[in-house]
Amino acid sequence: ETGVTQTPRHLVMGMTNKKSLKCEQHLGHNAMYWYKQSAKKPLELMFVYSLEERVENNSVPSRFSPECPNSSHLFLHLHTLQPEDSALYLCASSQARTSGASDTQYFGPGTRLTVL
Amino acid sequence: ILNVEQSPQSLHVQEGDSTNFTCSFPSSNFYALHWYRWETAKSPEALFVMTLNGDEKKKGRISATLNTKEGYSYLYIKGSQPEDSATYLCAWGSWGGSYIPTFGRGTSLIVHP
Repeated sequence: ETGVTQTPRHLVMGMTNKKSLKCEQHLGHNAMYWYKQSAKKPLELMFVYSLEERVENNSVPSRFSPECPNSSHLFLHLHTLQPEDSALYLCASSQARTSGASDTQYFGPGTRLTVL
Repeated sequence: ILNVEQSPQSLHVQEGDSTNFTCSFPSSNFYALHWYRWETAKSPEALFVMTLNGDEKKKGRISATLNTKEGYSYLYIKGSQPEDSATYLCAWGSWGGSYIPTFGRGTSLIVHP
C-alpha cells in the first residue's frame, strides 16, 4: 500500500450506533488531519495531530472522538451521530515543519458516511 | 471569520480553451498558499505550494501566481483538455502552533471535447 488509505470507503449507520473510521499513511509523515466535506461547503478541518499530539480541535462536537496511537494511524470514533453529520470524511497527512516552510497535504480517498 | 473565496464556482470550457480562476484569502498572517486538484471519486492531489509574494509556479500546462499583499492567487490552464476536468481547491495556510489550512469551496472545471 502506498500513500494514504482510509477504511471503510462507505458507511451507513443509525443515530445510536458506534463506529470508527480508520486512516493509515505510508509516507513517513508526522502530522495527520481529519476533514469533513459537506455538500456545497468547503473542506472543514476537524482535528490535527502533530507528532501524535492533538494540536487543533476546531470546536468539533464531542460525538466525534479522534485517536492517534502512532504517527501512521489515525482514527475517528463516532457515536450518537445526527443526520446532518452525513458527509465525506477525508484524512490527510503531511510532514510538519518549523516556521519558514509549508506543509503539502496528501489525502486519502475519504469515507462517505450516511447517518440514518 | 477568515474566509478563502474562490471564483468562479464552476466553469465550462471547450477543449483547447485557456482558462483561469481566482483564490482570495486574508493578507494577514500568511504562511503558504496551496492549490489542489480533486477529480471525482479520487483524492485531492497537490499541484502547487507558494510562500513568497510574486511566486510563480508551473507544471506542464498549469501555472499559478501569488500576490500576498493583496491576498489573491490565480491558477491558469493553457489549452484545456478533457482530463483537466476536476475541482480545483486552494488552501490558505496560517500558523497556530501547527499548520492550519483553510480551504475555499473550489472551482469546478468541465472541459468539453
